[in-house]
Amino acid sequence: DGGITQSPKYLFRKEGQNVTLSCEQNLNHDAMYWYRQDPGQGLRLIYYSQIVNDFQKGDIAEGYSVSREKKESFPLTVTSAQKNPTAFYLCASSIVTGTGWPQHFGDGTRLSIL
Amino acid sequence: GENVEQHPSTLSVQEGDSAVIKCTYSDSASNYFPWYKQELGKRPQLIIDIRSNVGEKKDQRIAVTLNKTAKHFSLHITETQPEDSAVYFCAASGGLGGSQGNLIFGKGTKLSVKP
Repeated sequence: DGGITQSPKYLFRKEGQNVTLSCEQNLNHDAMYWYRQDPGQGLRLIYYSQIVNDFQKGDIAEGYSVSREKKESFPLTVTSAQKNPTAFYLCASSIVTGTGWPQHFGDGTRLSIL
Repeated sequence: GENVEQHPSTLSVQEGDSAVIKCTYSDSASNYFPWYKQELGKRPQLIIDIRSNVGEKKDQRIAVTLNKTAKHFSLHITETQPEDSAVYFCAASGGLGGSQGNLIFGKGTKLSVKP
């Protein structure tokens, strides 16, 4: 799914620092998602957005923030309030939200604490 | 809300054998069930999906079956090859309500195919 680009591939965070993960898509999809992946835990939903200027909390939103100012872009900020940020972060998009629409993923960003 | 259980967590088969991964879901309103394959360090890729109005779907060596009454669905891979080795995730749409139809994922099955 070359239409979803995540950057950077690797990111390191210092104590007390906020970091922002980029996600851009050129698939003209309305819906975008952020997942966190930990070993043996599967994918857990952090935030999702159905349309520009709208976003909703997922199952594990605490310590994270997002914005959706453009249809193509859905950046995720990992704030200092997130005490255990080390994980693999995946961005996805689908034509719309709601059941029945496949989600397509980016290559992910691996975040570690320095 | 929806809960998806996936078994087994690890599966080792000999090349050429079949592999079966099973998932159960809790929300009877769920009606979309995709399967993703994730190779080490890479993105999950959709390999097959099924909707609740269909009991079985095939795509070459891969098939998915759905039992709505029992609320479980399974991935079947026949004639396995070493390149099938990966982590496989099932998912179910959350149905209506708080999850608004978002996907709920199982915890994954690590499949190893031995040459």
